[in-house]
Amino acid sequence: EAAVTQSPRSKVAVTGGKVTLSCHQTNNHDYMYWYRQDTGHGLRLIHYSYVADSTEKGDIPDGYKASRPSQENFSLILELASLSQTAVYFCASTDRGSQNTLYFGAGTRLSVL
Amino acid sequence: QQNVQQSPESLIVPEGARTSLNCTFSDSASQYFWWYRQHSGKAPKALMSIFSNGEKEEGRFTIHLNKASLHFSLHIRDSQPSDSALYLCAVTGGYKVVFGSGTRLLVSP
Repeated sequence: EAAVTQSPRSKVAVTGGKVTLSCHQTNNHDYMYWYRQDTGHGLRLIHYSYVADSTEKGDIPDGYKASRPSQENFSLILELASLSQTAVYFCASTDRGSQNTLYFGAGTRLSVL
Repeated sequence: QQNVQQSPESLIVPEGARTSLNCTFSDSASQYFWWYRQHSGKAPKALMSIFSNGEKEEGRFTIHLNKASLHFSLHIRDSQPSDSALYLCAVTGGYKVVFGSGTRLLVSP
């Protein structure tokens, strides 16, 4: 099964600080995604990428930047972390031939204090 | 912008019951329709998908799609306590995959 690794698994950040969440996949997938999940709720799309060196805005991009330096790596950057960005963040990947079956990482629990 | 809505928000059913979960979407050009399951504290995992009108059955699970009504559903036969989880529907079109807000299912023994 596809392997997607997120780091760190949990993070405590201070308001106004910079946070970088990392995602690495080893399955040669073209598409990668960042979602956030608030407690007990669904997933909201932040940024996505379908090719290295290019990223696209999702439905809630404000306050977040993304970087895709290689096919395997996709980062989510919070330049000025805010309390409202406390959530669990999931990275996912898929390829063209799988009808968009998303394979998720284990998630990063971010607490902004 | 794609709008995906799920109902009900939560559901409690007895073991052995038939369970139905619903999902509506707004973009008629959507291509693939998915159900994901997320157990507490875990990552979502794909359950099953459909891309053409009609029904698809896999074991105790059946997915039904009606594109004209912008609606698809998941039916669970003989629900088990291990089915207790957050169920997320997802709709894909182009590169984007948009999820609903989820239905929390609890199957009581």
